[in-house]
Amino acid sequence: DAKTTQPTSMDCAEGRAANLPCNHSTISGNEYVYWYRQIHSQGPQYIIHGLKNNETNEMASLIITEDRKSSTLILPHATLRDTAVYYCIVSLYGSARQLTFGSGTQLTVLP
Amino acid sequence: GAGVSQSPRYKVAKRGQDVALRCDPISGHVSLFWYQQALGQGPEFLTYFQNEAQLDKSGLPSDRFFAERPEGSVSTLKIQRTQQEDSAVYLCASSLEGAHSYEQYFGPGTRLTVT
Repeated sequence: DAKTTQPTSMDCAEGRAANLPCNHSTISGNEYVYWYRQIHSQGPQYIIHGLKNNETNEMASLIITEDRKSSTLILPHATLRDTAVYYCIVSLYGSARQLTFGSGTQLTVLP
Repeated sequence: GAGVSQSPRYKVAKRGQDVALRCDPISGHVSLFWYQQALGQGPEFLTYFQNEAQLDKSGLPSDRFFAERPEGSVSTLKIQRTQQEDSAVYLCASSLEGAHSYEQYFGPGTRLTVT
């Protein structure tokens, strides 16, 4: 699986959009971008995934650049409960595959 | 419905003791994964089951680590002769199988402290 690079930490004001970047310059054509988050003392939680088109669900939006070498996870209206470590993962499609987590980005939403 | 549950949530073991960590996956989930998460790090893959078959155990750090899922549902991760470096959170995840299955559901983890 391709490697990903994320900033170590970011802050965001409550109610504002949180934009979390991820670089995955070695991604191959059949690899997807997945985002998970881990709130303190909990297990990771799936957020969203995409291949090349932008995706949106009830939790977030995922913007993938045209060359697929980077992506941005957008939380449109961050709340204090969104404070967590966010992991960007590149992997082939399918749940029967191990996830390779990096160190992630610690997002802190400030009141 | 019920999510993935793990027990115990916390375990303190003296160095050299054996421990057993239990995972109850979501009912009907075919795939089951174990991950190890050291303090301040992301989770790292240990092993994978499809039903009762252990298809990948490449992440198990030593032969002291053993996992089983005899009836294709509950799984147990056993660590023999625990060492201090085994101190970590052990996470279990399960998922459906199939062409449109992509999400892994994680339990809350078991925090193991070896003293």
